[in-house]
Amino acid sequence: DTGVSQNPRHKITKRGQNVTFRCDPISEHNRLYWYRQTLGQGPEFLTYFQNEAQLEKSRLLSDRFSAERPKGSFSTLEIQRTEQGDSAMYLCASSPRAGGPDIQYFGAGTRLSVL
Amino acid sequence: DAKTTQPTSMDCAEGRAANLPCNHSTISGNEYVYWYRQIHSQGPQYIIHGLKNNETNEMASLIITEDRKSSTLILPHATLRDTAVYYCAPIRRSNDYKLSFGAGTTVTVRA
Repeated sequence: DTGVSQNPRHKITKRGQNVTFRCDPISEHNRLYWYRQTLGQGPEFLTYFQNEAQLEKSRLLSDRFSAERPKGSFSTLEIQRTEQGDSAMYLCASSPRAGGPDIQYFGAGTRLSVL
Repeated sequence: DAKTTQPTSMDCAEGRAANLPCNHSTISGNEYVYWYRQIHSQGPQYIIHGLKNNETNEMASLIITEDRKSSTLILPHATLRDTAVYYCAPIRRSNDYKLSFGAGTTVTVRA
């Protein structure tokens, strides 16, 4: 399967702990997006990368959140000092082209539960 | 970003066409309309997109009104596997092309 891969699929953590999620996009896809989805709602944009450059961050992305995409390949999303409000599904998507509207291919997501 | 309004839920009989409306009255001229669906515990799956003209692919048809304030996704012959949450999501033709999802329509296909 050459789709978008996210790990882990589930993460349970205690409030105050740090967590890191990984996203492996489809090979050679230039753009990589992170979204967050809470129960009953559609995904909300968090941030995106064009190759290794992080070009936009949503206001939802507080300073406890950091994302990287070293060498323009896989990406990590870290949440420091987790809070119960961080409990959500974190989705990663990638798209092939550098410009123009394009199809975003989503991974299955990482479900975070903060106790 | 354009805001969208979709029915909360919809039932459809297996084998019949499902017509899913979406209101996006605030859409701007540079925003495409994308449709995705999400089956339980999976990530969203792309269905179709359009700007002004009606579009058709192997999964569905997309009808966009002339004023672009609303659109309808048509699943021609719904199957049980089409049960999912369906989102219409405008996407700005700008540098980010991020998707703006609403709460979507939960479609239940019944045998």
